[in-house]
Amino acid sequence: QLQLQESGPGQVKPSETLSLTCTVSGDSVNNTSYYWGWIRQSPGKDLEWIGNIYYDGRTSYNPALKSRVTISLDTSKNQISLKVTSVTAAETAVYFCARQVVVVMSPRYFDLWGRGTLVAVSS
Amino acid sequence: DIVMTQFPLSQPVTPGEPASISCRSSQSLLHINGYNYVDWYLQKPGQSPQLLIYLRSNRASGVPDRFSGSGSGTDFTLKISRVEAEDVGTYYCMQSLQTPYTFGQGTKLEIK
Repeated sequence: QLQLQESGPGQVKPSETLSLTCTVSGDSVNNTSYYWGWIRQSPGKDLEWIGNIYYDGRTSYNPALKSRVTISLDTSKNQISLKVTSVTAAETAVYFCARQVVVVMSPRYFDLWGRGTLVAVSS
Repeated sequence: DIVMTQFPLSQPVTPGEPASISCRSSQSLLHINGYNYVDWYLQKPGQSPQLLIYLRSNRASGVPDRFSGSGSGTDFTLKISRVEAEDVGTYYCMQSLQTPYTFGQGTKLEIK
């Protein structure tokens, strides 16, 4: 069954590193038709794109977060990872991973989303 | 960054009646290749967003034909021809013309 499943700690202390994993089932992270992305949704409900990665390791990040974000692939486990360093309480959110369809050689719309995982940044 | 502005932010609708949601972008989403890079998502209560419409007017797999997308450049519209109870939730437009991809604030569709 095609699905994405996020996992990781539900709570992170301020100034520490948030680490999440997305496990892909029913598809391969090596599929050249897709990028794999992370999006978060704050309690205020705004959706914010964090970044994405292609099968060859190419990444793109939101400039607002760029210096603190790393997205990587583990092809042996068919997983995508997200790390955000030096987090603050304002980064408490539901974190989604999503599959992004390539159109004319660039990633465009998100056709499949995980259920999301809530991460609270709190001491 | 491209700013996406939706209106209205809330829309009460009677089942069987039509509904329309507008989305305006701060710059044109029309690429030289002819695609308008705007998509629509529905987030039902307690769920993750799901793709409804991609590239302005293409319905995603399994989306009923009562949903349609239109517009060009900076002004886009999502229309529901006859609202059903299962359509409740928050609708978001998103631009994928350039990074960072950005979303509208969301429009909450409620049943009267």
